[in-house]
Amino acid sequence: GENVEQHPSTLSVQEGDSAVIKCTYSDSASNYFPWYKQELGKGPQLIIDIRSNVGEKKDQRIAVTLNKTAKHFSLHITETQPEDSAVYFCAASSNQGNLIFGKGTKLSVKP
Amino acid sequence: SQTIHQWPATLVQPVGSPLSLECTVEGTSNPNLYWYRQAAGRGLQLLFYSVGIGQISSEVPQNLSASRPQDRQFILSSKKLLLSDSGFYLCAWSAGQPGDTEAFFGQGTRLTVV
Repeated sequence: GENVEQHPSTLSVQEGDSAVIKCTYSDSASNYFPWYKQELGKGPQLIIDIRSNVGEKKDQRIAVTLNKTAKHFSLHITETQPEDSAVYFCAASSNQGNLIFGKGTKLSVKP
Repeated sequence: SQTIHQWPATLVQPVGSPLSLECTVEGTSNPNLYWYRQAAGRGLQLLFYSVGIGQISSEVPQNLSASRPQDRQFILSSKKLLLSDSGFYLCAWSAGQPGDTEAFFGQGTRLTVV
């Protein structure tokens, strides 16, 4: 079945630095790639998503890039702030009609 | 606007006891509904999803079952809990094609089986 690998599992950066999280997927038919942010004790919330017909999407300090040939996509957060600290999940659509999630990245932004 | 309600927020149950977690969605009709379990270091594992009343797809064979008695109600159940059922359970909904659009998650239920 579809598999999504996410790296790194933990990431620590200084406030103001950039953070990059990378994911790879196995199903070449995947066409929807969302990123979720989960704060402690809460459910995940969508922060940005991209479809297979575009290579990059940006929303203020957050951007996502997609390389369909290599089957990988990345989340970029610039000018990180302490409130960016959370667990981030990537996901890819599967041919079975659901989302397959990566195992998550715990991001810590140190002031 | 659409909202999703999931309860209870926390639950401590003894081994062998039954389980019933409930999820309801407001502000939309015919949503796709999902139950996920989140274990530490294992990300989000899809347990069940439903595209309509009475239609349940199981992703992982286990001690749990799901039911959708009404359009916007999704229930996760177990007849006898195991220690391994402990975890953080999340209900979610989406519109359109399952897995093709944003999923909206509830606040989760922290289940501890003792």
